[in-house]
Amino acid sequence: KQEVTQIPAALSVPEGENLVLNCSFTDSAIYNLQWFRQDPGKGLTSLLLIQSSQREQTSGRLNASLDKSSGRSTLYIAASQPGDSATYLCAVGAYSGAGSYQLTFGKGTKLSVIP
Amino acid sequence: DTAVSQTPKYLVTQMGNDKSIKCEQNLGHDTMYWYKQDSKKFLKIMFSYNNKELIINETVPNRFSPKSPDKAHLNLHINSLELGDSAVYFCASSQDRWIQGNEQFFGPGTRLTVL
Repeated sequence: KQEVTQIPAALSVPEGENLVLNCSFTDSAIYNLQWFRQDPGKGLTSLLLIQSSQREQTSGRLNASLDKSSGRSTLYIAASQPGDSATYLCAVGAYSGAGSYQLTFGKGTKLSVIP
Repeated sequence: DTAVSQTPKYLVTQMGNDKSIKCEQNLGHDTMYWYKQDSKKFLKIMFSYNNKELIINETVPNRFSPKSPDKAHLNLHINSLELGDSAVYFCASSQDRWIQGNEQFFGPGTRLTVL
């Protein structure tokens, strides 16, 4: 059964710093990996989707990498801003025994960017 | 335009009651999902429907019954509510259930509180 772990659980950095969030998964037979952002009391916003055949994806100040064989992904945030403060969730997409693709989520990393 | 919408946003009710949460997506997607986020913020899939057909049914009490009148709607009905049902319920959709285009888009969530 797929398990997704995110480290650290919480992170506090001063504004302007570059930072890395980590995600690991136990079963490398995945189709893709998706990074989300969740603001307090809000839904999930999709940030980046990496297909299993890709090594990385970039969107603005965000860069996500995927090393499927070692079961790891990182989300790099450049020049962090207070508006980046949120919980970041990693979710692994894989084939389920029920005949469909489904996401398995990590517990998230709560990021605080201090002005 | 809201891509994935849920109603109500907040739901407070007594133990033993029956309640429903509605979800609609206007993205033209074939697949819709229900997730539960517990008090520890852990997101876990409950159900998935593809074009009105149930394709994922995780270990969820049979008090929970999803209903999909058409592929744009997936409602969640909960009978005999219990204290442990208190959580945030998220609806999501994706283009289809196979590999391609499987980025998932989430609704804003419904915070259910059972007293």
